[in-house]
Amino acid sequence: AQSVAQPEDQVKVAEGNPLTVKCTYSVSGNPYLFWYVQYPNRGLQFLLKYITGDNLVKGSYGFEAEFNKSQTSFHLKKPSALVSDSALYFCALGYSGAGSYQLTFGKGTKLSVIP
Amino acid sequence: EPEVTQTPSHQVTQMGQEVILRCVPISNHLYFYWYRQILGQKVEFLVSFYNNEISEKSEIFDDQFSVERPDGSNFTLKIRSTKLEDSAMYFCASSEGGVSAFFGQGTRLTVV
Repeated sequence: AQSVAQPEDQVKVAEGNPLTVKCTYSVSGNPYLFWYVQYPNRGLQFLLKYITGDNLVKGSYGFEAEFNKSQTSFHLKKPSALVSDSALYFCALGYSGAGSYQLTFGKGTKLSVIP
Repeated sequence: EPEVTQTPSHQVTQMGQEVILRCVPISNHLYFYWYRQILGQKVEFLVSFYNNEISEKSEIFDDQFSVERPDGSNFTLKIRSTKLEDSAMYFCASSEGGVSAFFGQGTRLTVV
């Protein structure tokens, strides 16, 4: 069975510092990996995805993620955090079901960027 | 930029009542989904819909739930007789055919 783990409930970083939000996965076959962000009382906004190709994926708002097959990880990174990056971040694993795709989400990591 | 839209943004209903949550997926998308997020918990898959029928459903999606695409643009989730534990944020999503899905803003359902 496929699963996603986000080992940190909360990450705090100072504004301007690099940030990392961790994600590991378990799946048989090739993974399709995603990061979504959720601001308070808002929906899920797509940040980036890894389907195939380069292990370093660049996404919206300056975020990037590195796919590491040997470590089964897909950590989200940003070189310089902004206060406005404070939100809830979800890692998700996509897989094909009976003719459609589903996403299995991690439990989320709350990112707090401190001014 | 095209987006998935959901209405209403917040619905309050009494236990035992029927509710219908509405979604307008992105127009050229073929796959439609409902997910839910109970407060403080992770987002969970409910159901996928393609070619006017359910492709897959989770254990959560029991006989109290149904989905419909009544008119070629809307995609609805009906909960027949709501329970307190149905209180959650419900997200609609759509995709063109690949694994990438775009989510709506969600409908917060509160069952009292």
